[in-house]
Amino acid sequence: DIQMTQSPSSLSASVGDRVTITCRASQSIGSYLNWYQQKPGKAPKLLIYAASSLQSGVPSRFSGSGSGTDFTLTISSLQPEDFATYHCQQSYSARVTFGPGTKVDIK
Amino acid sequence: QVTLKESGPALVKPTQTLTLTCTFSGFSLSTSGMRASWIRQPPGKALEWLARIDWDDDKFYNTSLKTRLTISKDTSKNQVVLTMTNMDPVDTATYYCARSTSNVMDVWGQGTTVTVSS
Repeated sequence: DIQMTQSPSSLSASVGDRVTITCRASQSIGSYLNWYQQKPGKAPKLLIYAASSLQSGVPSRFSGSGSGTDFTLTISSLQPEDFATYHCQQSYSARVTFGPGTKVDIK
Repeated sequence: QVTLKESGPALVKPTQTLTLTCTFSGFSLSTSGMRASWIRQPPGKALEWLARIDWDDDKFYNTSLKTRLTISKDTSKNQVVLTMTNMDPVDTATYYCARSTSNVMDVWGQGTTVTVSS
């Protein structure tokens, strides 16, 4: 199975900060990489699919990039509602796998 | 509007079999390209994909859990069912179902919490 790692595991940031989260796959997955946001007690929500495509309704401050094994999620200007955990997921294989998550909290 | 809702027991005993039902609306699992997956999340831990069933009845399972899992669908009832045998306390988690197309899970249910304890 394809293993996914994320860094950092957690970060503290302030409203207005630019935040970058990295996801790495154990083998090349092309652009088959998706990002989800999860708030406490809630189900994950799709933010970005195919590495860089913004899901409908998601604010444009979220962006994704990368291909192959290395991917990035960027929040250009962190808003209060963005404090959450972010998960990457590879959809290259039928047996999808998730990263361990990155928790973004208030500095 | 696409919605999914998980249902099942909140508490199961070790060694028992867990049966979870995902009831959905707003799409059909008989439509080409449609898929549904089950994912779980132990408290404070990462998401773990469990199983997927496709519109053509293809099924895929988590490699580590495949001997314990069975996924099925009832298209007429708009339901997907997951059974997991030989439950253990480490299986305590919130279990989610999600619609997917091309392995992208675009709509999730609210989740159902399952505790395994004697």
